[in-house]
Amino acid sequence: DVKVTQSSRYLVKRTGEKVFLECVQDMDHENMFWYRQDPGLGLRLIYFSYDVKMKEKGDIPEGYSVSREKKERFSLILESASTNQTSMYLCASSFPLPLGGVGEQFFGPGTRLTVL
Amino acid sequence: EDKVVQSPLSLVVHEGDTVTLNCSYEVTNFRSLLWYKQEKKAPTFLFMLTSSGIEKKSGRLSSILDKKELSSILNITATQTGDSAIYLCAVEAGGQNFVFGPGTRLSVLP
Repeated sequence: DVKVTQSSRYLVKRTGEKVFLECVQDMDHENMFWYRQDPGLGLRLIYFSYDVKMKEKGDIPEGYSVSREKKERFSLILESASTNQTSMYLCASSFPLPLGGVGEQFFGPGTRLTVL
Repeated sequence: EDKVVQSPLSLVVHEGDTVTLNCSYEVTNFRSLLWYKQEKKAPTFLFMLTSSGIEKKSGRLSSILDKKELSSILNITATQTGDSAIYLCAVEAGGQNFVFGPGTRLSVLP
């Protein structure tokens, strides 16, 4: 069974704080993703990584950075949290498909972050 | 700009009804379309569609892709209260770009 875990289910931080969200997967997946989910906007891709130390910006990378030092772990960093970063954050992982592409993603349970 | 649209955004039905959820997309270099079901927590995978006209089926759920119309439908027959969820459509475009639609919130009443 694929398992994707996230470090916290709920997190409350203050404006200006540095926030770390951690994601770990146990299926040796090359690809890992960070999304945020807001009502009416669906899931939006923040960053993804296709290998250790490799990262690509998604649709909304501003205000975020990521780190992938080990294959199983992908961290999302908010350098200076702001109230508009209050959201549900979902991590996902997947194998790459043989002919390219991403295919099925497995999601973690999500972290609901509130920035006051 | 790549875009995925779902309709309706919200739907309320009674147990036993059949529902059809729609997803349409405008993306460059389409690779695949995926359907997910999201209950209280993480989305769970339902189907991945890459070829037009081939129906994928799992129990009471089925889905089909129409590349000419740039759309897909997800059908659920004989709905049950456990089908209540948000159904997400996602499209993988070129460059490993993944775009999700806003979701359809389905409520099945007993």
